[in-house]
Amino acid sequence: QKEVEQNSGPLSVPEGAIASLNCTYSDRVSQSFFWYRQYSGKSPELIMSIYSNGDKEDGRFTAQLNKASQYVSLLIRDSQPSDSATYLCAVAYNNNDMRFGAGTRLTVKP
Amino acid sequence: DGGITQSPKYLFRKEGQNVTLSCEQNLNHDAMYWYRQDPGQGLRLIYYSQIVNDFQKGDIAEGYSVSREKKESFPLTVTSAQKNPTAFYLCASSKTGVGSPLHFGNGTRLTVT
Repeated sequence: QKEVEQNSGPLSVPEGAIASLNCTYSDRVSQSFFWYRQYSGKSPELIMSIYSNGDKEDGRFTAQLNKASQYVSLLIRDSQPSDSATYLCAVAYNNNDMRFGAGTRLTVKP
Repeated sequence: DGGITQSPKYLFRKEGQNVTLSCEQNLNHDAMYWYRQDPGQGLRLIYYSQIVNDFQKGDIAEGYSVSREKKESFPLTVTSAQKNPTAFYLCASSKTGVGSPLHFGNGTRLTVT
């Protein structure tokens, strides 16, 4: 069973704080991991991709991957109200089979 | 500009009718996908296709059908056998090979009454 688990939230942080979003997955052969942001009523947009253990930083976003623990996270530094959205964790299995978690709803309060 | 076009944006149908959702891409991607999203939930995979004339069932394929006659097009038919068809449908595409992210269309919101 290919499962991707996320805390559905909602997660609420004050403006300027660090938001931490977590995701676990069930299949050890997973190779690629993605974070998407989805605003209400819109389609998901790619924020980060990560393929190897460790941290990957892009601006205010940092993705962290620990394959031994089957865990991937997303940190958002200096959170802004415009970051308020649902964040989807996605895991790519073999042959482009991509599975998504249920998403974590983040609210950044001014 | 390259992208994925889904049409229509909103679709209303009566129960018992089949309906086809359009998805066209000009990104020259080999792989295409259909996902369903219900309110407050994540994306569930309906079908995906890696090459023309070939496709695989996802987790919730029952009541749906697809075709992939052209690389650019991957239409989804919601049949009358689908018990709860009202949802937000998302089409996506990607390059082949593990590690390629998905690019999404703007979605079609289907309401069946």
